[in-house]
Amino acid sequence: EAGVAQSPRYKIIEKRQSVAFWCNPISGHATLYWYQQILGQGPKLLIQFQNNGVVDDSQLPKDRFSAERLKGVDSTLKIQPAKLEDSAVYLCASSSLWVDSPLHFGNGTRLTVT
Amino acid sequence: ILNVEQSPQSLHVQEGDSTNFTCSFPSSNFYALHWYRWETAKSPEALFVMTLNGDEKKKGRISATLNTKEGYSYLYIKGSQPEDSATYLCAFGTGFQKLVFGTGTRLLVSP
Repeated sequence: EAGVAQSPRYKIIEKRQSVAFWCNPISGHATLYWYQQILGQGPKLLIQFQNNGVVDDSQLPKDRFSAERLKGVDSTLKIQPAKLEDSAVYLCASSSLWVDSPLHFGNGTRLTVT
Repeated sequence: ILNVEQSPQSLHVQEGDSTNFTCSFPSSNFYALHWYRWETAKSPEALFVMTLNGDEKKKGRISATLNTKEGYSYLYIKGSQPEDSATYLCAFGTGFQKLVFGTGTRLLVSP
């Protein structure tokens, strides 16, 4: 099966600019996650979708971050405006609805904010 | 704030050495425990998902055990190889599809 696709792989922007990341999950996976992984820390959940509904966005900084999952498939994550502390790897993952289903991750986007 | 701790933070071993890491998590509200391997420039890859106390899982030279009553899981690698070099992440499940990740153990295996 094709894996989780993410783009871009790398992005360098200046603070106060905006940026968008795209994710295409594994076909048939109902749940899609966006994680932020800052160097030296574990991945932190930003937002979780089940189909096209939001399940958990409690850790999403909603004043600058937004995400959508149109038609329950692809998803985009946007940051506007970016801050220096947003420099991180942004990981998209998907999973099926089985109880013991693992997460399948994309390669991630490494964002550097200067 | 839920705390998932992994130790050691990093480890450097020689090819052929066996090694193990620890993932510690709260002993209450356990739902599942995941292990992932994350190689540089690649995507994190699932190793194991464990849901029952006493679970033991094995995949080649890698195995994992789970103790939900005391809140820990061990990951073992037998006869480490350079291709085992990666960051190993555990994630504690507090409910269906609700995971909290640890900070990972970075393993370097020298030839």
